[in-house]
Amino acid sequence: DTEVTQTPKHLVMGMTNKKSLKCEQHMGHRAMYWYKQKAKKPPELMFVYSYEKLSINESVPSRFSPECPNSSLLNLHLHALQPEDSALYLCASMELLKTTSGELFFGEGSRLTVL
Amino acid sequence: DAKTTQPPSMDCAEGRAANLPCNHSTISGNEYVYWYRQIHSQGPQYIIHGLKNNETNEMASLIITEDRKSSTLILPHATLRDTAVYYCIVRVQGAQKLVFGQGTRLTINP
Repeated sequence: DTEVTQTPKHLVMGMTNKKSLKCEQHMGHRAMYWYKQKAKKPPELMFVYSYEKLSINESVPSRFSPECPNSSLLNLHLHALQPEDSALYLCASMELLKTTSGELFFGEGSRLTVL
Repeated sequence: DAKTTQPPSMDCAEGRAANLPCNHSTISGNEYVYWYRQIHSQGPQYIIHGLKNNETNEMASLIITEDRKSSTLILPHATLRDTAVYYCIVRVQGAQKLVFGQGTRLTINP
């Protein structure tokens, strides 16, 4: 199983809503990522979890709250978002052993629209 | 991570080889060259990576110059399904941080 599964595929929310994006992988990877991608732009790194601990936060606003409940799951909790937060949110995972290639496996993304 | 420079767009005829260049003149000795691509509305997909020797897999070939300041990704027989944005990234193998540049939008024409 080389898949990273993201749900939901599409999400529409108001600025006062609280919602969550979910990501799951069963490859035994110990690093998991959130990226944000606006139209016609490259993906921007948001967060990295390593061994279920937050290791990189790219100065992301606190209205985005990541959570890694276990080594297979990664959530992104959304609260009080702005319309400019509308984007494709990509999850990825990577094996952390030094002998591996360092390849990231990406999900298909969750497309978020904030009204 | 060293910065990369890629042409913003390229065209290639179906069935021909697509050669995508990347400049990385500030690459460090322990940094690898990685290539990913992103087909419209999908997540990025790993293609290939290398340190200094040329590499080939079932998807593509990677040619790295001797001074390692530039590289070329070669898709030997491009198909319409190869239309995508191709990203060249330099990074230490296995480093957690992976940052995308602007990439090259490759269009394969029938």
